[in-house]
Amino acid sequence: DTGVSQDPRHKITKRGQNVTFRCDPISEHNRLYWYRQTLGQGPEFLTYFQNEAQLEKSRLLSDRFSAERPKGSFSTLEIQRTEQGDSAMYLCASSLVTAGNYGYTFGSGTRLTVV
Amino acid sequence: EDQVTQSPEALRLQEGESSSLNCSYTVSGLRGLFWYRQDPGKGPEFLFTLYSAGEEKEKERLKATLTKKESFLHITAPKPEDSATYLCAVRVGGSQGNLIFGKGTKLSVKP
Repeated sequence: DTGVSQDPRHKITKRGQNVTFRCDPISEHNRLYWYRQTLGQGPEFLTYFQNEAQLEKSRLLSDRFSAERPKGSFSTLEIQRTEQGDSAMYLCASSLVTAGNYGYTFGSGTRLTVV
Repeated sequence: EDQVTQSPEALRLQEGESSSLNCSYTVSGLRGLFWYRQDPGKGPEFLFTLYSAGEEKEKERLKATLTKKESFLHITAPKPEDSATYLCAVRVGGSQGNLIFGKGTKLSVKP
């Protein structure tokens, strides 16, 4: 297993277009998280899944954002009608929750630029 | 409101010059404090988790400590390859998945 994979690494889109990102977590991990990071800031939580169930969503996650994790494997994050303020690094992480161990493994992220 | 504050924002060290990074937190029910390293253009890399005051963890030149109000990341005799942004995050009671991150400390180690 090579860790958490994210695709694409970079995406440039025009304002108003829809974009979709994919995340493949570490196979034995049961939790998957999406975060957003802008320059000079720490990552901000967006949402997370335990298996296929989406258990928590941030107030930051507007109705233009939707995430899915069909069959509890890979996940997709879609942004509809992109705005310039959506430009950021979108990070995916996964973890295996056992006996209090909550170490998250992050992917390398998808950098989105909205022009 | 739960908050995590890291200081300094940036730190420049000479190779071999030991120092400490600070992470202070104001949260309702700490369920774990995490340290990550992030290189430019990459995702954060997990370093340590601390759960209770007095706990310490070490990895190579790094040592993390935790009190009831703050955590320190001590770097002993740093090398240029330790240059990165170091992020602190907390997991709080009432949230099963949400890590709250600080803005990070950008460390530069000059040879």
